[in-house]
Amino acid sequence: GENVEQHPSTLSVQEGDSAVIKCTYSDSASNYFPWYKQELGKRPQLIIDIRSNVGEKKDQRIAVTLNKTAKHFSLHITETQPEDSAVYFCAASSRDSGTYKYIFGTGTRLKVLA
Amino acid sequence: NAGVTQTPKFRILKIGQSMTLQCTQDMNHNYMYWYRQDPGMGLKLIYYSVGAGITDKGEVPNGYNVSRSTTEDFPLRLELAAPSQTSVYFCASSLGQGGEKLFFGSGTQLSVL
Repeated sequence: GENVEQHPSTLSVQEGDSAVIKCTYSDSASNYFPWYKQELGKRPQLIIDIRSNVGEKKDQRIAVTLNKTAKHFSLHITETQPEDSAVYFCAASSRDSGTYKYIFGTGTRLKVLA
Repeated sequence: NAGVTQTPKFRILKIGQSMTLQCTQDMNHNYMYWYRQDPGMGLKLIYYSVGAGITDKGEVPNGYNVSRSTTEDFPLRLELAAPSQTSVYFCASSLGQGGEKLFFGSGTQLSVL
C-alpha cells in the first residue's frame, strides 16, 4: 500500500543551526506534499507545501525540496529558534477516486537547544 | 469562522461501551477526514468523505463507523470500544478541488480502560 517514511524520528540542534527532515513516498501518483507542525497538545498546522510540478519552495526560514525521480522530499529550517521546537509531519497526497487522500509520515520531534 | 470544531475534548470509556465523536466545520468544505494519532506515531486515516452522503474507508477503519448527512457534520462512531482504540482523534476538512490544505480540529483524547 501507500507509505511515507520519515527520518529522523528525533532531532536536536543548537539555536541558530539548520535542521533537515527527510521523507520518502511510495506512490508515484502522489502530487502534493505538505508539511505540518504540531506543538505539544495542539493540532497540526500547515507550515509549507509543494506540488509535484515544482522542485523547491521557500518561505522565510523554511524551505521544501522535492525530487520526484527519487520520490523524496525534505524540509529545511534555517536559523532555528526555540519556538521551532515541535513535532513535524510530512505527508503525501494523491488523487484517488475523486478525492485527495493524505498519507502521513511518523513525525520528527525537533528540539532546538538554547 | 470557528473552523473545525470537535467534541468532546477528553473522554474515558470502559471496554465495550460505545460513543460518538462529533465534528463540525463552518467553512463549507467538501472533504472531511478522521485521523487517529497514537503516541509517538503519525496520523492514520480512519474514514473520509468527499461530500454529503458519501464516505469511504481509510487505512484503519475497523471498529469505527461514520456518516455524512450534511456538509457541515462528520461524526465518528465507536462501537464496542477496545483498549486498542485509546488514541487522540483529529477531525479535518479541506476545500477539495485543488484546495488541499487540511484544517484540523483541536482533537479528542480518548482512553478505553
